[in-house]
Amino acid sequence: AQSVAQPEDQVNVAEGNPLTVKCTYSVSGNPYLFWYVQYPNRGLQFLLKYITGDNLVKGSYGFEAEFNKSQTSFHLKKPSALVSDSALYFCAVRERRGFQKLVFGTGTRLLVSP
Amino acid sequence: DSGVTQTPKHLITATGQRVTLRCSPRSGDLSVYWYQQSLDQGLQFLIQYYNGEERAKGNILERFSAQQFPDLHSELNLSSLELGDSALYFCASSPGLAGGQETQYFGPGTRLLVL
Repeated sequence: AQSVAQPEDQVNVAEGNPLTVKCTYSVSGNPYLFWYVQYPNRGLQFLLKYITGDNLVKGSYGFEAEFNKSQTSFHLKKPSALVSDSALYFCAVRERRGFQKLVFGTGTRLLVSP
Repeated sequence: DSGVTQTPKHLITATGQRVTLRCSPRSGDLSVYWYQQSLDQGLQFLIQYYNGEERAKGNILERFSAQQFPDLHSELNLSSLELGDSALYFCASSPGLAGGQETQYFGPGTRLLVL
C-alpha cells in the first residue's frame, strides 16, 4: 500500500532564508507526487506535482520540489522564505497502476519569522 | 479560488442527526472526490464519483453516503452522527480524463461540529 511520511511536524525558518519541507513516500512502482498548501480556514491549494521527466519540478509561489527515486523523497524547497509562506504543507502520493487513491502525509507546519 | 464551491461553510448539529454537504466542481470537471480532515486521522479519502457513477471508495463509513447528480454537483450525506464525525469535509474535483496524474482542486471545506 502506498504511504507518505512527513517527518517534521513543524519547520521554523527566518524570512529570506531557504526552506525545505521533507517528504518520503512508499509505493509499488513509480509514483505521482503532489504538494499542497493549506492556509488557516482555507482549502488545500495545489502547489506542484511530479509526473515524469525532469526531477526538479517548479510550482506556484516560487516553490520547487526534487524527485529522488533512490531516496524515495520529494522534498519541497524555496530559495527565500516569506512570512506569508507560513501555512500547513501536505505531500501526497498516488500509484500509477489502476485507480489508486491520493494518500496524504500528516502535514508539516511551516513558520516563517520576520 | 479553486473554482470548487462547498456549502455550507459551517454546520453545527447534534448526535444522531443527519446532514447533507454540497459540492459544485470546477466547470468541466467530471470527477468529484470527498475527503475528511480530522486531527487524529489526518486527511482521509472517502469516495470518488465520475460523471454520476461511483468510481472508488476509501475509508467511508456505512453511515455516510454520496451521490453525483446529472449537473455534476455532488452531495455527501452523513447520518446517525457521532461526536467523532466532527471534522472538516473537503470536496475536490478534476477533469477525470487523465487518470492518476490529474491534479485535484479542493474546495474551501465544510466544518462540521457534532455536539
